Amino acid sequence: AQSVTQPDIHITVSEGASLELRCNYSYGATPYLFWYVQSPGQGLQLLLKYFSGDTLVQGIKGFEAEFKRSQSSFNLRKPSVHWSDAAEYFCAVARDSGAGSYQLTFGKGTKLSVIP
Amino acid sequence: DAGVTQSPTHLIKTRGQQVTLRCSPKSGHDTVSWYQQALGQGPQFIFQYYEEEERQRGNFPDRFSGHQYPNYSSELNVNALLLGDSALYLCASSLRVQGNGHEQYFGPGTRLTVT
Repeated sequence: AQSVTQPDIHITVSEGASLELRCNYSYGATPYLFWYVQSPGQGLQLLLKYFSGDTLVQGIKGFEAEFKRSQSSFNLRKPSVHWSDAAEYFCAVARDSGAGSYQLTFGKGTKLSVIP
Repeated sequence: DAGVTQSPTHLIKTRGQQVTLRCSPKSGHDTVSWYQQALGQGPQFIFQYYEEEERQRGNFPDRFSGHQYPNYSSELNVNALLLGDSALYLCASSLRVQGNGHEQYFGPGTRLTVT
């Protein structure tokens, strides 16, 4: 069965500092990987996705993530955090259930707090 | 281009009651998935609808059922509500026909509180 682990429940960084959120996955085949962001009481916004090809993917809002097959990781990074980045971040893997049907398995999320 | 919309935004129900939540997919999408997000947790897959049929189901009891209409909109029904059903219910849409079923776009969710 596939699973996603986000080891850090809560991270606090200062505005302007760099950020790395960790994500490890367990999946038998080549995964489709995603990072979503959720502001309080809101739905999920897709930040970036990895399907194949270049292992460093760029997303919206200045975020990037690197797929490392050897480490089963897909860590999210941002060189300089803004106060508006404070939110909860979810890593997810898409499982192919057959005939083009996919379901997402999410990690438990990492809450990011930003100190002005 | 309208994104995924859900109604209502908030809902309060009593144990034992039934509830219906609604979702309209992003324009051009043909597949709707439903997820339950309990407080402090990541979303969990409930089921997915395509061509008006349930195609995949997560580990949820039969009290959870759904429907998809010809215009691709969808409903989630929960019977005999339990306190543990209190959660944010998220709808996600995708385009399966062109092989993009993995790229799912989420609505703002419906916050269900069961008292």
